[in-house]
Amino acid sequence: QVQLQESGPGLVKPSETLSLTCAVSGYSISSGYYWGWIRQPPGKGLEWIGSIYHSGSTYYNPSLKSRVTISVDTSKNQFSLKLSSVTAADTAVYYCARDTAAVLGNFDYWGQGTLVTVSS
Amino acid sequence: EIVLTQSPATLSLSPGERATLSCGASQSVSSSYLAWYQQKPGLAPRLLIYDASSRATGIPDRFSGSGSGTDFTLTISRLEPEDFAVYYCQQYGSSLTFGGGTKVEIK
Repeated sequence: QVQLQESGPGLVKPSETLSLTCAVSGYSISSGYYWGWIRQPPGKGLEWIGSIYHSGSTYYNPSLKSRVTISVDTSKNQFSLKLSSVTAADTAVYYCARDTAAVLGNFDYWGQGTLVTVSS
Repeated sequence: EIVLTQSPATLSLSPGERATLSCGASQSVSSSYLAWYQQKPGLAPRLLIYDASSRATGIPDRFSGSGSGTDFTLTISRLEPEDFAVYYCQQYGSSLTFGGGTKVEIK
């Protein structure tokens, strides 16, 4: 059974960098698929942030691209998200998920999500 | 960017009734690359339908998807108590975007 678990600080100060990690178990990232980050502001809808392949190939949401970096560590079977220059608008539940497609597709396995609040 | 518009925003129905949810795209979604998710409060979304009409693993056959181009539909043939939730569509034909969601609530 594929399982994903997000981890990272729950509180980040404005203008700083948000950093999260997604640990994957039950499946080797090196075996394939893209792996993505999606966020959901409180009471609002879903927003795709970006996705990464085990080779390091990435796709980002154009609206966030200038502030986002997604990386992968196949030795630890995990991938990470960095979002720079955060503001209150970046307050959200952040999910990591497995993308089923060869490139960008839909997400079949999700982490439970982690709430990140941007506040001083 | 393809913008997805879901309607209605809220659907009030009783258990046993049929639910019809719509997802409209601002431009044609290539190869019907559209998915539907269900989300309950405090939980991650759950994949229901992919490629517009294929059910994901373990999804009951009361859920069905249809459509192509710019108009897509999720149908729940007979609502069960556990089906009351928020539903999102997502396209992956050109980059990746989500719709704003439809809440299916108990009437």
